[in-house]
Amino acid sequence: GDSVTQMEGPVTLSEEAFLTINCTYTATGYPSLFWYVQYPGEGLQLLLKATKADDKGSNKGFEATYRKETTSFHLEKGSVQVSDSAVYFCALPLGGTYKYIFGTGTRLKVLA
Amino acid sequence: DTEVTQTPKHLVMGMTNKKSLKCEQHMGHRAMYWYKQKAKKPPELMFVYSYEKLSINESVPSRFSPECPNSSLLNLHLHALQPEDSALYLCASSQGLAGGRQFFGPGTRLTVL
Repeated sequence: GDSVTQMEGPVTLSEEAFLTINCTYTATGYPSLFWYVQYPGEGLQLLLKATKADDKGSNKGFEATYRKETTSFHLEKGSVQVSDSAVYFCALPLGGTYKYIFGTGTRLKVLA
Repeated sequence: DTEVTQTPKHLVMGMTNKKSLKCEQHMGHRAMYWYKQKAKKPPELMFVYSYEKLSINESVPSRFSPECPNSSLLNLHLHALQPEDSALYLCASSQGLAGGRQFFGPGTRLTVL
């Protein structure tokens, strides 16, 4: 069945370091893919999305490219800030349903 | 208005209490969701309402009772909860079937004593 595998955390980086959080998926068809971010004490917010193969989603300096050949949607940022400290979830909608599959979440801590 | 609001923000209740969580959206979305999120875990789907009708119940215990009074409102009635039900309860909405983004509320932090 459809699934999402997300890199385990926590990830601790210094400010201005490069970030990669890996996400791979198994899906029937070609679903949209999402990255959500959850800041402490808050709900989930959409960070970026891609709707088809080779699409690149981007927002707030974060990017992710929908790679059909490697079934991946890795999240990257060139220079992280302390304010990026949060939990990041990769998500995959189950086509034709109201269900979404979320990755396990990756906690990012950025040190000044 | 691209916001989902939830009240209360925090709730502490005893195992014999009855309480309700409320969720509201004014984006014209026709699907509304309740999720339960335990610490350091992803959200777990509980219920989905589509066009004000219950579409999905993920085998949630009957001590949780959802209600959708109209297309903008979603309630979760709580009764005789257990301490293990303590969690963050998230409401979300989306325009239609999965494929599009979900909009999440800030959540209600529930503690059951």
